[in-house]
Amino acid sequence: QVQLVESGGGLVKPGGSLRLSCSASGFNFSDYYMSWIRQAPGKGLEWVSYISSRTNIIYYADSVKGRFTISRDNAKNSLYLQMNSLTAEDTAVYYCARVVYYFDKYDAFDIWGQGTMVTVSS
Amino acid sequence: IQMTQSPSSLSASVGDRVTITCRASQNIGNFLNWYQQRPGKAPNLLIYAASSLQNGVPSRFSGSGSGTDFTLTISSLQPEDFGTYYCRQSYSTLLTFGGGTKVEIK
Repeated sequence: QVQLVESGGGLVKPGGSLRLSCSASGFNFSDYYMSWIRQAPGKGLEWVSYISSRTNIIYYADSVKGRFTISRDNAKNSLYLQMNSLTAEDTAVYYCARVVYYFDKYDAFDIWGQGTMVTVSS
Repeated sequence: IQMTQSPSSLSASVGDRVTITCRASQNIGNFLNWYQQRPGKAPNLLIYAASSLQNGVPSRFSGSGSGTDFTLTISSLQPEDFGTYYCRQSYSTLLTFGGGTKVEIK
């Protein structure tokens, strides 16, 4: 079935780095834009970044720009998020999500992973 | 683009009609989604393009609005509809979610 599975979360010290992975299955990964969204404990959803199917279009939220890097390997059906210079404000559950387009215009996150927790603390 | 949801929380009985609103800080056309998130779970897409129902979502959910003001309506609240509901705009390449509306069942 269509599935996204995140991994790579954990405890990291302020200023440290972490690389998240998202493994896709059940669909043609290379056909889809993908995105990362995060949710701090007890807070709402915050979009982080997205990447086009061919990696030629990439956008970041202002809160992570210059520190996070999104990438993908279509041959491995995998999405990544390299996170550097982490601070306590980056503590959150990180979800990967598939982007689907309707009417060739309107996008939505139609498939989500279960999330991976990142905790930034000394 | 800032997205403001109201109310931030509500409590309603099974069978009630529930309405959640989402206001954008500028005109976003129909570039709006609605998601439901149950506690401890990933969000689930309900509505895309402001008013189109995602496959598999019960017909008691509906979306309306355009421009800056949008509404998610649950026509007859069911026990499984508890959770937090979020709107999200994609008019701008910098996507933004509303702050969420927590729905509790009385």
